[in-house]
Amino acid sequence: QQPVQSPQAVILREGEDAVINCSSSKALYSVHWYRQKHGEAPVFLMILLKGGEQKGHEKISASFNEKKQQSSLYLTASQLSYSGTYFCGTGGGSQGNLIFGKGTKLSVKP
Amino acid sequence: GAVVSQHPSWVICKSGTSVKIECRSLDFQATTMFWYRQFPKQSLMLMATSNEGSKATYEQGVEKDKFLINHASLTLSTLTVTSAHPEDSSFYICSARDTRGPAGYTFGSGTRLTVV
Repeated sequence: QQPVQSPQAVILREGEDAVINCSSSKALYSVHWYRQKHGEAPVFLMILLKGGEQKGHEKISASFNEKKQQSSLYLTASQLSYSGTYFCGTGGGSQGNLIFGKGTKLSVKP
Repeated sequence: GAVVSQHPSWVICKSGTSVKIECRSLDFQATTMFWYRQFPKQSLMLMATSNEGSKATYEQGVEKDKFLINHASLTLSTLTVTSAHPEDSSFYICSARDTRGPAGYTFGSGTRLTVV
């Protein structure tokens, strides 16, 4: 089942914050966050496995709610390099694959 | 960390010809590799799962005779697009499972296929 991402797109000024959500109607095995720049492969950001988990690296963090049905990615004090399309992927595909959401396009302007 | 090498990065071919894309796991063995296709401004959609030593598993709607997958060793999977047509033009990305690392899934750099 494909997770639902919101918003579809967001435009920010450098230094502003953003939140991207990823949700499902049933509990997820895991949530993987990726950023993809145009014409490039997705780059891994982080993975959340446990309900209630929160983790981050520098100014990007993520949470996974207790029911494991929603994850949010937080981008703080955004930089130009944050621009790209963010995908959440959930584990548990029938072949052990990730199932990706439709993506959120983030544009950071100077 | 785990590295997956994908070649070529881009290819332009004539309609009716075949194109082979390679995906190699450089520092780990991958019994399973996944092939995704991504059209412009869309998400990654799984095409098939490649299993070392056995036949690939194709997702519904993906023609197995058109997209030939071979996973002859623990470090190499290939995708051959046969009799390519313009509608096959897309971004193809492979991914391998590496259970040693935090992500579990490592992606190749992708191949931009343009069929003219």
